[in-house]
Amino acid sequence: DGGITQSPKYLFRKEGQNVTLSCEQNLNHDAMYWYRQDPGQGLRLIYYSQIVNDFQKGDIAEGYSVSREKKESFPLTVTSAQKNPTAFYLCASSIVAGAIYEQYFGPGTRLTVT
Amino acid sequence: KNQVEQSPQSLIILEGKNCTLQCNYTVSPFSNLRWYKQDTGRGPVSLTIMTFSENTKSNGRYTATLDADTKQSSLHITASQLSDSASYICVVSARNNDMRFGAGTRLTVKP
Repeated sequence: DGGITQSPKYLFRKEGQNVTLSCEQNLNHDAMYWYRQDPGQGLRLIYYSQIVNDFQKGDIAEGYSVSREKKESFPLTVTSAQKNPTAFYLCASSIVAGAIYEQYFGPGTRLTVT
Repeated sequence: KNQVEQSPQSLIILEGKNCTLQCNYTVSPFSNLRWYKQDTGRGPVSLTIMTFSENTKSNGRYTATLDADTKQSSLHITASQLSDSASYICVVSARNNDMRFGAGTRLTVKP
């Protein structure tokens, strides 16, 4: 998992509550990403950030929000507007944005909303 | 639509045996293809990356092949070990940096 940490590993929330997932990296990478992984499906991009104070929506951004106030940190908030939030969430970083650059993944956070 | 299809969905083999996992894609224009290994409950780890001009790349007991004409890739695992039990994910990137992830092949190696 390199120098990327995600916390907590497991998270339980009641429906209607917002929840924030933490992602920190000490790799000095400019780019960071959030993915969602569901059984039987490939990873889907939620948001990505190429540089501090900048971020763009991915394929499934609805119901999620992010911030990038520091280079090391890229927290993801799952809002009550996300219709099906239960999933495994993966954070990744790369030295700069671009598909040719390897993405290093964190260990993931499994979110369960009931 | 850019897609990545992997087969089989799951595979069980005995320790010491070889196996081959398949990846077909429609991503265009093609930039590169990666194979990742993902242990249960963990993040994926890159095994190999291949660009258009490469047709074979090895990483220890893992050998990836790429046929850019037929848009197919395979990952061959030699002399499997129990620690090879994991999901193997094929990721194909287009030149516009659009990355598409396959759903993965779940490999179980039994003693």
